[in-house]
Amino acid sequence: DIVMTQSPDSLAVSLGERATINCKSSQSILYSLKNKNCLAWFQQKRGQPPKLLINWSSTRESGVPDRFSGSGSGTDFTLTISSLQAEDVAVYYCQQYCRIPYTFGQGTKLEIK
Amino acid sequence: QEQLVQSGDEVKKPGASVKVSCKASGYTFTSYDLNWVRQATGQGPEWMGWVSPKSGNTGYAQKFQGRVTMTRDTSVGTVYMELSSLTSEDTAVYYCVRRGERAHDIWGQGTMVIVSS
Repeated sequence: DIVMTQSPDSLAVSLGERATINCKSSQSILYSLKNKNCLAWFQQKRGQPPKLLINWSSTRESGVPDRFSGSGSGTDFTLTISSLQAEDVAVYYCQQYCRIPYTFGQGTKLEIK
Repeated sequence: QEQLVQSGDEVKKPGASVKVSCKASGYTFTSYDLNWVRQATGQGPEWMGWVSPKSGNTGYAQKFQGRVTMTRDTSVGTVYMELSSLTSEDTAVYYCVRRGERAHDIWGQGTMVIVSS
């Protein structure tokens, strides 16, 4: 199975500042037919299901604010929130969807400093 | 709008089985596979398997092989996940999730399954 490891486990950032979450896969998650990485980022607020923010490592879902961006390739990926807003407090998960079983990171809890 | 609506929360005794339903609406039911993902309190999500609404084909994570069954009923646009031989380790929120062109894009509201004697 592909292991997804996120860092840090928790993060406190001031409003308006940048937040960066990292995700590392234990092997390549490049989908060769599309030359894209099968990496998704989810946001989960308390009591809600995860919400898809980004797929193919860098494609934002419709309606997701452009302060959210994804980058990376190969085995190392990053989710960046350029200017933290109060409503961004949540747990963030990365996920690979290249190979079954699809696997998630352990999560990063983002709070306001 | 596109949505997945799941059945209500369940409380089961150890050794019992649970069957959770997930009704799709707002899109063509047979166009996308549906997956099941569970999440224990304070843990990350865990993928369990998939079912094709079109063919009925399934695939399960090795951890759940022999204990999970995923089915569909095209007449009512619903998929089901049945998990047997429950233990306290199966206490979790269970989600059905659409595997669309944009990865796992639509999630049900979740069904809490509590296993307790």
